[in-house]
Amino acid sequence: EVQLVQSGGGLVKPGASLTLSCVASGFNFNIYDMNWVRQAPGKGLEWVASISSRSKSIKYADSVKGRFTVSRDNASNSLHLQMSSLRDEDTAIYYCAKYYDHWGQGSLVTVSS
Amino acid sequence: DIVLTQTPLSSPVALGQPASISCRSSQSLVHTNGNTFLSWHQKKPGQPPRLLLYKVSNRFSGVPDRFSGSGEGTNFTLTITRVEAEDVGVYYCMQATQFPHTFGPGTKLEIK
Repeated sequence: EVQLVQSGGGLVKPGASLTLSCVASGFNFNIYDMNWVRQAPGKGLEWVASISSRSKSIKYADSVKGRFTVSRDNASNSLHLQMSSLRDEDTAIYYCAKYYDHWGQGSLVTVSS
Repeated sequence: DIVLTQTPLSSPVALGQPASISCRSSQSLVHTNGNTFLSWHQKKPGQPPRLLLYKVSNRFSGVPDRFSGSGEGTNFTLTITRVEAEDVGVYYCMQATQFPHTFGPGTKLEIK
């Protein structure tokens, strides 16, 4: 069974940093592209970042480029999203996704003073 | 960036009746490899998104056959043949043909 278990998240002040993690099991992690998607309160789904299987291709939404860094460790089946210079508008539930067919349970990130 | 437009944004449907959601893209979603990376996802409050259909019309594992997808190029449709109570939620089309990947605004399906 494919499982994506997320950790991290929480309440931080504007300008702070936070790292989200996603540990995968039940599939061959190192051959799949992985993604981060978020949903702000009352809003729709927004793609955040994608990383290819060997980390050769990494893409970011313009809204997070230069502030967020996606990485993966295929040896430990883990995906990470390092978020820095957080803004109020980054408040959202963040989901990791195996391509887009399986999703993590979500991590709530609240940025507020 | 590719913009996805969904209609309607809200759809009240009686139980057992069909429902249809349209997704239009600002440009063709046909990838250079010939695939069309248009998918449909269902979102319920407190739950992660659920993949329903991928590459336009392929039903994902465990998805009931009352869900179907069609279309090509820039026009796509999600159809539910007979709506059941458990189908209530927000439906998003999404394109992964080109970065940035983008989602439609969502269509809220509710029971009339």
